[in-house]
Amino acid sequence: LAKTTQPISMDSYEGQEVNITCSHNNIATNDYITWYQQFPSQGPRFIIQGYKTKVTNEVASLFIPADRKSSTLSLPRVSLSDTAVYYCLVGDGPKWNAGNMLTFGGGTRLMVKP
Amino acid sequence: NAGVTQTPKFQVLKTGQSMTLQCAQDMNHEYMSWYRQDPGMGLRLIHYSVGAGITDQGEVPNGYNVSRSTTEDFPLRLLSAAPSQTSVYFCASSYLHTGVGETQYFGPGTRLLVL
Repeated sequence: LAKTTQPISMDSYEGQEVNITCSHNNIATNDYITWYQQFPSQGPRFIIQGYKTKVTNEVASLFIPADRKSSTLSLPRVSLSDTAVYYCLVGDGPKWNAGNMLTFGGGTRLMVKP
Repeated sequence: NAGVTQTPKFQVLKTGQSMTLQCAQDMNHEYMSWYRQDPGMGLRLIHYSVGAGITDQGEVPNGYNVSRSTTEDFPLRLLSAAPSQTSVYFCASSYLHTGVGETQYFGPGTRLLVL
């Protein structure tokens, strides 16, 4: 399973765009990149997933360069409620024959200030 | 759909006691897993299952047992609780790989304090 590296923490202000980059140098051909968000005292929640180029949904955008060795989660115009921990995962999902453990790293703690 | 449910929400145990953390999902997901999250840390995988009757160890399995008799339920058992098992426990489920990356759905967590 590809190892990921993220910044431990980031600070931002309301209304700003926040970009969190994740490094995954050993990403495999079949691997997808998935980001989760976790608020205090809650379980992680899926934000966005992508394989290559750019993916956008109502919450965020995910930018993946051609070599796929990194990815950037972009949160437009953050608010105080975006204060959370953001996890980057790389893998192709669990499979019958290999199990394929899904593991989380330490994540990035985003603090949005007024 | 209720999604992933966990009981209890909070539990206090004494060292050496046993208990079972319950997890259920109603989305017909084949894959289920248990994580623990210590204060200020990321999630660590304890055990996982790819279907009824099939379980395997994750990163930190010692001190925990699991079984998967049905698709819906995946209980986590602590046979002899230790203070080091004080943590928040999350259960998660997803479909198995179907050609695209599968997303996991997490329960609300169980806070366990072992004295």
